[in-house]
Amino acid sequence: GAVVSQHPSWVICKSGTSVKIECRSLDFQATTMFWYRQFPKQSLMLMATSNEGSKATYEQGVEKDKFLINHASLTLSTLTVTSAHPEDSSFYICSARRTGDFYNEQFFGPGTRLTVL
Amino acid sequence: GENVEQHPSTLSVQEGDSAVIKCTYSDSASNYFPWYKQELGKRPQLIIDIRSNVGEKKDQRIAVTLNKTAKHFSLHITETQPEDSAVYFCAATFNTDKLIFGTGTRLQVFP
Repeated sequence: GAVVSQHPSWVICKSGTSVKIECRSLDFQATTMFWYRQFPKQSLMLMATSNEGSKATYEQGVEKDKFLINHASLTLSTLTVTSAHPEDSSFYICSARRTGDFYNEQFFGPGTRLTVL
Repeated sequence: GENVEQHPSTLSVQEGDSAVIKCTYSDSASNYFPWYKQELGKRPQLIIDIRSNVGEKKDQRIAVTLNKTAKHFSLHITETQPEDSAVYFCAATFNTDKLIFGTGTRLQVFP
């Protein structure tokens, strides 16, 4: 149990276009999901916390108008990178926290590698 | 601020030796401390976690210790094997609702 999927697993796009990444909890409900970004040889950096039915909470330095997050159901959160540029190329990983869990155990998706040309 | 420090950044050991990775955190209210193993291009894989109400937890060759007073926690891997080679991340909760990750430790186990 506690499986999280992400789609697509990789994407290549042209500079200036938008890319949408989906994160799904397959066998549990997730009121809260998280989006991370990981550059090569670096740690996971939290971008935003996504809450079902409400606005996402963005970490300092993350542009909310550039990284649009929608969490419309208890099993799906989406991250849209708008007007992507080469510096947005990175490994994007989502995670989900099971609804009702007291501790913040998170279940991670397999990640999406974004390359912006 | 929200900070998790992790040391060392790289660690090389001989097969069969032990490896220890240490982390410190800044939020005294943190109550959950997971450790992840990440292989290149893959998702972080939870290998062990500890909650604030215990001081030590062990699972076969892996153990974690927590010192809440000093805000330290450590990962101990005994009898290391080449397949233990990977990047390891510690993490701690902040404001009870998000995880902040350490900077990572690249562990190499030589046969």
